[in-house]
Amino acid sequence: SQKIEQNSEALNIQEGKTATLTCNYTNYSPAYLQWYRQDPGRGPVFLLLIRENEKEKRKERLKVTFDTTLKQSLFHITASQPADSATYLCALWGGSYIPTFGRGTSLIVHP
Amino acid sequence: DGGITQSPKYLFRKEGQNVTLSCEQNLNHDAMYWYRQDPGQGLRLIYYSQIVNDFQKGDIAEGYSVSREKKESFPLTVTSAQKNPTAFYLCASSIAPSDEQYFGPGTRLTVT
Repeated sequence: SQKIEQNSEALNIQEGKTATLTCNYTNYSPAYLQWYRQDPGRGPVFLLLIRENEKEKRKERLKVTFDTTLKQSLFHITASQPADSATYLCALWGGSYIPTFGRGTSLIVHP
Repeated sequence: DGGITQSPKYLFRKEGQNVTLSCEQNLNHDAMYWYRQDPGQGLRLIYYSQIVNDFQKGDIAEGYSVSREKKESFPLTVTSAQKNPTAFYLCASSIAPSDEQYFGPGTRLTVT
């Protein structure tokens, strides 16, 4: 069955460092992959979209990579700030154009 | 001010009662979605609609029903047949099915 894995353990880093979050998938051939940020008790907010034929996408301090051979996407936040603390969700779209979301990874940036 | 709204933010119901959650968007989006989120879990798709008067079951549609009579509105009814209805419910919309999704603030439903 299709499976999306994000690290369930929280990622703790110091302010100013680069945070790297991982999204692995199996039994899936996604056409698109998206990353969202979710704060407690609120709806997710879209961050970045990357297509299967793209290797990397950037937006300000954010960078996403997509390796269809490794079946993995990495999400990087450079020069992290305490305000970046949140849960980050990856979502994959396959041929049906219906999304499947991962459980998310909590990022905690310490001042 | 364009956006997607859900009401109410908190909802309490007794077991055995049906309850309808509201979702409205003024973004002129064709696609709308309902998700359920449980603690420590990802978003699970309940129903989705790609166009007015059409909707499809998602992964966990049992015990839920929807309607899409207007482009702007996609209400979700949680019926008494839903075994474990207490959860955080999120509505989303997008221009097209593969585009970024805009989420509402969510409704936290508690059934006792």
